[in-house]
Amino acid sequence: AQSVTQLGSHVSVSEGALVLLRCNYSSSVPPYLFWYVQYPNQGLQLLLKYTSAATLVKGINGFEAEFKKSETSFHLTKPSAHMSDAAEYFCAVSRGGGSNYKLTFGKGTLLTVNP
Amino acid sequence: EPEVTQTPSHQVTQMGQEVILRCVPISNHLYFYWYRQILGQKVEFLVSFYNNEISEKSEIFDDQFSVERPDGSNFTLKIRSTKLEDSAMYFCAGRGRTNEKLFFGSGTQLSVL
Repeated sequence: AQSVTQLGSHVSVSEGALVLLRCNYSSSVPPYLFWYVQYPNQGLQLLLKYTSAATLVKGINGFEAEFKKSETSFHLTKPSAHMSDAAEYFCAVSRGGGSNYKLTFGKGTLLTVNP
Repeated sequence: EPEVTQTPSHQVTQMGQEVILRCVPISNHLYFYWYRQILGQKVEFLVSFYNNEISEKSEIFDDQFSVERPDGSNFTLKIRSTKLEDSAMYFCAGRGRTNEKLFFGSGTQLSVL
């Protein structure tokens, strides 16, 4: 079974500050890990993914995440927050590719960016 | 970038009524999914669909739910007799054969009264 825990349902940062959104996973097999972003009234958009290649993954909009197996973590970071980053962020885990490719999501973290 | 289109964006129905949520996936996608998100809760997997049949379903996806792709383009989720607890945002998603990236639609907000 797989699960994801996102620490903090709401994170608030100032514009220009570091963004750190935490995600810990549990998986009985080597996981695929994802971060999705959801802007208001829009669908889920993939930010980045880890699929057993480089442990530091760079995504869109300046975000990156590092896979740390020893800590079972996949935290999302961005050096400098922008107002347009305000959205809900979801961490997700999959047991891999293949025909099923079921994603298990965390509860999400709402990021607000203050001017 | 191509999009997954879901209609309607909002659906209000009475308890016990049937609803059909519609999705138009990206044309070259082969694997299709429905997820839902109850307000304040996680996005939950409902069902995956490949080659015109269900490949996996969750315990949520009981006999009241069904999916089909009747004309090779639309991908629908039917709830036969809605319950209050079916109120949620329902997301359709799809992907190609080798690309692991899931493309999600913007969702249908279902409200059961």
